[in-house]
Amino acid sequence: AQSVTQLDSQVPVFEEAPVELRCNYSSSVSVYLFWYVQYPNQGLQLLLKYLSGSTLVKGINGFEAEFNKSQTSFHLRKPSVHISDTAEYFCAAINSGGYQKVTFGTGTKLQVIP
Amino acid sequence: DGGITQSPKYLFRKEGQNVTLSCEQNLNHDAMYWYRQDPGQGLRLIYYSQIVNDFQKGDIAEGYSVSREKKESFPLTVTSAQKNPTAFYLCASRDDRRGPTEAFFGQGTRLTVV
Repeated sequence: AQSVTQLDSQVPVFEEAPVELRCNYSSSVSVYLFWYVQYPNQGLQLLLKYLSGSTLVKGINGFEAEFNKSQTSFHLRKPSVHISDTAEYFCAAINSGGYQKVTFGTGTKLQVIP
Repeated sequence: DGGITQSPKYLFRKEGQNVTLSCEQNLNHDAMYWYRQDPGQGLRLIYYSQIVNDFQKGDIAEGYSVSREKKESFPLTVTSAQKNPTAFYLCASRDDRRGPTEAFFGQGTRLTVV
């Protein structure tokens, strides 16, 4: 079984400043990693995903994430945030093989301050 | 348009009553999932199904039941045995025939038990 940890429950950041949202995972088998964004009272929307290949993946809305196998991390970054980025962000993992469970972290609320 | 439809968006029920949340998808996905979301706890897996007429308990299945009689539909029943049913419920689906693909989410149902 895998687990996903998002250590920061809330991250305040000023508009146009850079941001990093942290995600760490653990698994006994290969995992595939995803970042989702959720706006209030809505479902989750995929930002980006890492399946294989280049460890730096780019997603929508200017976000990117880097897969680091040695540190078991998949941190999400954006060089300059906008007010519209205020939302909750979830890191998720899917195990390889067998029943493919999707496991989510507890989420990080990004608050962009004007 | 293809997607996942959850209904209703808001649902109020009296304590002790069973209630069924609807989830329908026209994405031709085999795998479907139900999650419960509470503030600060992220998404917790209730049940998942990878094929018609088969489903598996997730991490918090007690007090819930599901059925998967059709590929398109995965209804969730919140029974009177669920001690604290008030929450935001999210349904998701995946095309797991293509390996580790992302999950697609509905817009959620907010259940309030009074």
